[in-house]
Amino acid sequence: GQQLNQSPQSMFIQEGEDVSMNCTSSSIFNTWLWYKQDPGEGPVLLIALYKAGELTSNGRLTAQFGITRKDSFLNISASIPSDVGIYFCAGQFGGATNKLIFGTGTLLAVQP
Amino acid sequence: DSGVTQTPKHLITATGQRVTLRCSPRSGDLSVYWYQQSLDQGLQFLIQYYNGEERAKGNILERFSAQQFPDLHSELNLSSLELGDSALYFCASSVRPLAVQYFGPGTRLTVT
Repeated sequence: GQQLNQSPQSMFIQEGEDVSMNCTSSSIFNTWLWYKQDPGEGPVLLIALYKAGELTSNGRLTAQFGITRKDSFLNISASIPSDVGIYFCAGQFGGATNKLIFGTGTLLAVQP
Repeated sequence: DSGVTQTPKHLITATGQRVTLRCSPRSGDLSVYWYQQSLDQGLQFLIQYYNGEERAKGNILERFSAQQFPDLHSELNLSSLELGDSALYFCASSVRPLAVQYFGPGTRLTVT
């Protein structure tokens, strides 16, 4: 199945540090989304982006929809221990199908 | 809590058996999606229903089938199970196609 390229694969940081991760695709998407998944739980929506170039914030999280519509990045500022989890990007084509194409995930570990 | 419920949370069964996974969407959501999450394939879209009708199909095996009932809950049926079917199965819902999808907590299927 198709997966988007997401990097880095994992990050181990100290509490208070800023984090940046990105996602690239060979396809053009109408919508980019960022989800966080905790162990044994379903993905939880963090941010949704609808327009090329759009920059959206949700608290300490900021995400941008790339100009080419083939990439997106997520920044987390001043990380805290509860930021630990796996972060997934997802692209959505729109049109007749609403399926999400997910990235490979970024595992974030935050040391207090 | 996303408002999407899935039962059961865990399921252990033997190869060759058949199981049914159940999903209740968020109140007011008409569209239901099923995804499979495995270590080697990541999160993969299986199938989408909208208001009782199949809308889109992804990487769903012929041994798998799904339906959405008049009360909008959905069931995913997996038959002739193989070891490789062991995975987390997520249901997501959205108010309409192209709207943001909210994920349930998942069902962990183990085939022995």
